[in-house]
Amino acid sequence: DADVTQTPRNRITKTGKRIMLECSQTKGHDRMYWYRQDPGLGLRLIYYSFDVKDINKGEISDGYSVSRQAQAKFSLSLESAIPNQTALYFCATSHLAGERDTQYFGPGTRLTVL
Amino acid sequence: AQSVTQLDSQVPVFEEAPVELRCNYSSSVSVYLFWYVQYPNQGLQLLLKYLSGSTLVKGINGFEAEFNKSQTSFHLRKPSVHISDTAEYFCAVRRSGGYNKLIFGAGTRLAVHP
Repeated sequence: DADVTQTPRNRITKTGKRIMLECSQTKGHDRMYWYRQDPGLGLRLIYYSFDVKDINKGEISDGYSVSRQAQAKFSLSLESAIPNQTALYFCATSHLAGERDTQYFGPGTRLTVL
Repeated sequence: AQSVTQLDSQVPVFEEAPVELRCNYSSSVSVYLFWYVQYPNQGLQLLLKYLSGSTLVKGINGFEAEFNKSQTSFHLRKPSVHISDTAEYFCAVRRSGGYNKLIFGAGTRLAVHP
């Protein structure tokens, strides 16, 4: 089984709808992240969380919210989806000790907003 | 602030030829450096990383990279590529110590032709 899983893997939705993307990990890591990938722009950080009670905005948090339901679960919500949120979304995890916060990524969720 | 420049957006190469994917970063402080690979329709997989020690780092699938502090570069190399190496490759940098954001380059698409 994969260490970092994301659901759904693909989603098509309409403008104005609320969407939730979910991420689960079995790596035992304390830190979790949400990124979006757009062609030619690499990955950009949306939100990150160091533990259940510590959530921080990344560089492009507007229009998004997150919830850290447990150490192993981190959800990303689009309260009212818009077409320019069409992108590939990645969840990642890391642990400070040992590998000095090296991040490991899930398989991604492809979101299309019509 | 750190930034990452991947000098080539696309690199076409024939099978069994050598390849170098270039990455330069800007930072006035010590950094950790990473290369990730994204195969078609898949997530990001850690290829290799430089945290400290030897400046020549070996990764999976026969790839290696050399950290050059004076030139602020971390170029990725493989002496003989295979068709299966066709993918997008991302260079990323992070300040060492504590938590610091992982900054990604825009990516280099490697296309290996028979």
